[in-house]
Amino acid sequence: EAGVAQSPRYKIIEKRQSVAFWCNPISGHATLYWYQQILGQGPKLLIQFQNNGVVDDSQLPKDRFSAERLKGVDSTLKIQPAKLEDSAVYLCASSPRQRSDNEQFFGPGTRLTVL
Amino acid sequence: KNQVEQSPQSLIILEGKNCTLQCNYTVSPFSNLRWYKQDTGRGPVSLTIMTFSENTKSNGRYTATLDADTKQSSLHITASQLSDSASYICVGASGNTGKLIFGQGTTLQVKP
Repeated sequence: EAGVAQSPRYKIIEKRQSVAFWCNPISGHATLYWYQQILGQGPKLLIQFQNNGVVDDSQLPKDRFSAERLKGVDSTLKIQPAKLEDSAVYLCASSPRQRSDNEQFFGPGTRLTVL
Repeated sequence: KNQVEQSPQSLIILEGKNCTLQCNYTVSPFSNLRWYKQDTGRGPVSLTIMTFSENTKSNGRYTATLDADTKQSSLHITASQLSDSASYICVGASGNTGKLIFGQGTTLQVKP
């Protein structure tokens, strides 16, 4: 079974530029998550999708971050414009259903450096 | 406020030795407690998932315990190997949606 795929793996941009990340979840997984992991910290949930609907985006900085999951499969996360404090690893995860006992499967992440 | 705190922040042990990582959690409503292993440059991988009715669960050389009364969990690693070098993250799952509350992780370094 293929895992969660993310691209790019690394990205370096200057502040005020825009950047987009892509995630392809495990086939058949209805729930998709985007996390931000700052160095030395645990992941922080940015947004959760159930199919193509948003379940939780309470911690998404909506003035600069946006995410979509068209057709309920792939997802993109965009930052526009980027700030220095956005430097982090952006993890995508998926799970079969929105259930508390469901395991979440994580992708390798995209490491973003904002200069 | 839901939160998960881990100790120690980092740990260095010699290959073959045992170690125990600690986790205190405040998660309401509580659903389950998880331990993840995160290798450098990789996403977290689940080691164990325990509900409030389970007080111990093993996965190979990894054994997790859960005390729902004191809201504490531990992860014991037996006969450590170099490949155990990683960050270990304690995670509480809340309510019916399974929202995860992550600790900051314990960085383990196993030296030969």
